[in-house]
Amino acid sequence: SQKIEQNSEALNIQEGKTATLTCNYTNYSPAYLQWYRQDPGRGPVFLLLIRENEKEKRKERLKVTFDTTLKQSLFHITASQPADSATYLCALDGGSGNTGKLIFGQGTTLQVKP
Amino acid sequence: ETGVTQSPTHLIKTRGQQVTLRCSSQSGHNTVSWYQQALGQGPQFIFQYYREEENGRGNFPPRFSGLQFPNYSSELNVNALELDDSALYLCASSFRTGGGNTEAFFGQGTRLTVV
Repeated sequence: SQKIEQNSEALNIQEGKTATLTCNYTNYSPAYLQWYRQDPGRGPVFLLLIRENEKEKRKERLKVTFDTTLKQSLFHITASQPADSATYLCALDGGSGNTGKLIFGQGTTLQVKP
Repeated sequence: ETGVTQSPTHLIKTRGQQVTLRCSSQSGHNTVSWYQQALGQGPQFIFQYYREEENGRGNFPPRFSGLQFPNYSSELNVNALELDDSALYLCASSFRTGGGNTEAFFGQGTRLTVV
C-alpha cells in the first residue's frame, strides 16, 4: 500500500539557519505532492504544491524539491524564524491526478530557537 | 482564517453512541473531504463529496458516512462509536474543475473524545 514517511524526530534549529525536512514515499507514483503547516489545535494550512514534472518550486523563504527517481521531496525554510515553529505535513494525492484525496505523512515538528 | 468552519469544536460522547459533525465550505468551493487525525499522526482520508455524491473513500468502515448539501456544506456521521474514534476530525474544501482540484482549505477541526 502507499506509504509516506517524514523525519520521525523533531527538528530543532537556531534562528537564521535553514531547516530541511524530508518526505519519502513508497509503492506510489504521485503526480502531485503538497506541503502543509499545522499549528497545535488548528487545521493544516496549504503552503506549496509541486508537480511530478517540476524539480523545484519556491515561495518566499520556502523551497520544495521533488525527485521522482528517489521518491523523495525536500522542504526547505531559509532564514528560519521562531514563528516558523510548527508541524509540517507532506501529502500526496491518492487519486489519479489532482483529486484532492490526500495521503499525509505523520508530520515533522520544527522548533526554531531564538 | 480559511473560511471553512466546523462545528462543534469539541465533543464528548459515550461508546456506542452516534455523532454528527458539520462543515461549512469556503464560498465557491464544490468539493468537501473529511479526515481523521489521531494524536501525533497525520490526517487520514475518510471520504470526499462532490456535487452531493461520495467521490472516493479511504479505509474506513461503513459506520462512517456523510452528506453534502446543495449549498456544499457537509456532515460526517459516525455510528456505534468506539474508543479508537477519539481524534481530531478535519474538513477540507476545494474547487474542482476539469483540470483537477484547487488547494485544500481546512477547517479548525472538531475534537471528538469517546469515553
